[in-house]
Amino acid sequence: GAVVSQHPSWVICKSGTSVKIECRSLDFQATTMFWYRQFPKQSLMLMATSNEGSKATYEQGVEKDKFLINHASLTLSTLTVTSAHPEDSSFYICSARGQRNQPQHFGDGTRLSIL
Amino acid sequence: GESVGLHLPTLSVQEGDNSIINCAYSNSASDYFIWYKQESGKGPQFIIDIRSNMDKRQGQRVTVLLNKTVKHLSLQIAATQPGDSAVYFCAENLGTSYGKLTFGQGTILTVHP
Repeated sequence: GAVVSQHPSWVICKSGTSVKIECRSLDFQATTMFWYRQFPKQSLMLMATSNEGSKATYEQGVEKDKFLINHASLTLSTLTVTSAHPEDSSFYICSARGQRNQPQHFGDGTRLSIL
Repeated sequence: GESVGLHLPTLSVQEGDNSIINCAYSNSASDYFIWYKQESGKGPQFIIDIRSNMDKRQGQRVTVLLNKTVKHLSLQIAATQPGDSAVYFCAENLGTSYGKLTFGQGTILTVHP
């Protein structure tokens, strides 16, 4: 149980393109989903927290207009990287959890490469 | 606390040995802790968790120890196998209403056959 699916797993696109990443909880209802960014050989850095039906809460330094998050249902959250540039290239990972103080379960990440 | 950098701590062990991975957490108010395993190119996988009212919890081949006095967390893996090779992260919940986690810098575990 507690499976989180993330799609796509890998995307390469040109600078200036907007890219949408989907995160789905397959066998549980995710009241809260989280989006992280991870650079090579580094830890996960939380970008934003989203609760179903509410606006996402962004961490300090994360541009809201750059990284659009939608959490329209209890099983789906999306992250859209708008007008992506090479510096946005990274590994983006989502997680989801049911109730508070239950562990977050992670998707397998999306490797984004902007040319 | 530990800073995030480009050189993760590493631990190399022989197959069959026991492994101990350590983590110093940052906030004395944290009430929930989790260990995750991350294999190359994948997302973190839940291993074991522990709440702040406990000091030890055991799972299958794994044990987590919590020392709140010195804000230290450890993960013990018994009879380590090559499949255990990965990066291991501890994470702490700062007790916020949405359960945000703060991740440690990670430790690279390499198990030699």
